Amino acid sequence: QSVLTQPPSASGTPGQRVTISCSGSSSNIGSNTVNWYQQLPGTAPKLLIYNYNQRPSGVPDRFSGSKSGTSASLAISGLQSEDEADYYCAAWGDSPGVVFGGGTKLTVL
Amino acid sequence: QVQLQESGPGLVKPSETLSLTCTVSGDSISTYYWSWIRQPPGKGLEWIGYIYYTGRTRYNPSLKSRVTISVDTSKNQFSLKLKSVTAADTAVYYCARGGLQFDYWGQGTRVTVSS
Repeated sequence: QSVLTQPPSASGTPGQRVTISCSGSSSNIGSNTVNWYQQLPGTAPKLLIYNYNQRPSGVPDRFSGSKSGTSASLAISGLQSEDEADYYCAAWGDSPGVVFGGGTKLTVL
Repeated sequence: QVQLQESGPGLVKPSETLSLTCTVSGDSISTYYWSWIRQPPGKGLEWIGYIYYTGRTRYNPSLKSRVTISVDTSKNQFSLKLKSVTAADTAVYYCARGGLQFDYWGQGTRVTVSS
C-alpha cells in the first residue's frame, strides 16, 4: 500500500483534458514539494513535473501540476495518443525518504 | 548528455546478496545526489535510497537493515548491495540522478531472485 494515493486508472479521448490526483498528508505533500513522472510502456520513468508545477526542458506545456493542502494534481490538456502511460507522483515523506504514489494508468480511448 | 547504465547479475539466489553498479557518463558524480529505485513486476516504484559523493547516504526505512549504497568517484560509479534477498526483491532496478527530483534515469536492469 503506497503512502501517496492515486486512482489506479484514468481515461480520456484525444483533445480532452484529464486530471490525475495524488493524495497525501501533512508530513509529505503538505510540507514538501511534489514531482510527477511519466512511464511509457517498457521504458524508464521520466521526470514530467517538479516542484509542484515546473516543467523540465522539452516537456510540453500541455502538462501542468498543482497542489492544494495535502493533495496534488497533474493535468493533461489536449490529450494525445502518445500520452498513454503510467503516471506517478512522488514527495519527500517523514519516514524519512522519498514516497511514491501507486501509479495511475492513463488510457487514451 | 547525462547517461546512466546499470550493470550486474540478472539472477540472484535467495538469501544471497544482490549487487548492482551504476556507471555515470556526461556528468561528474561529484555533484548531485544519486539514487536507486526499483519496480517489482506489474507494480509501482519504490525508492531504495540515495548517496552523495561525500558518502552521505539515506535509505528507505523498510530496506535500511539490508541495503548499502556506496560511491566510487574515481570510476564515476555508485553501487547498490541488498543482502538476504527473497523473491519479493525481484524487480527492475533503476539508478537515477537526484535525491528527490530524479531527472535522469538508467534504462533499468531486471533482477530475478530464484534458486
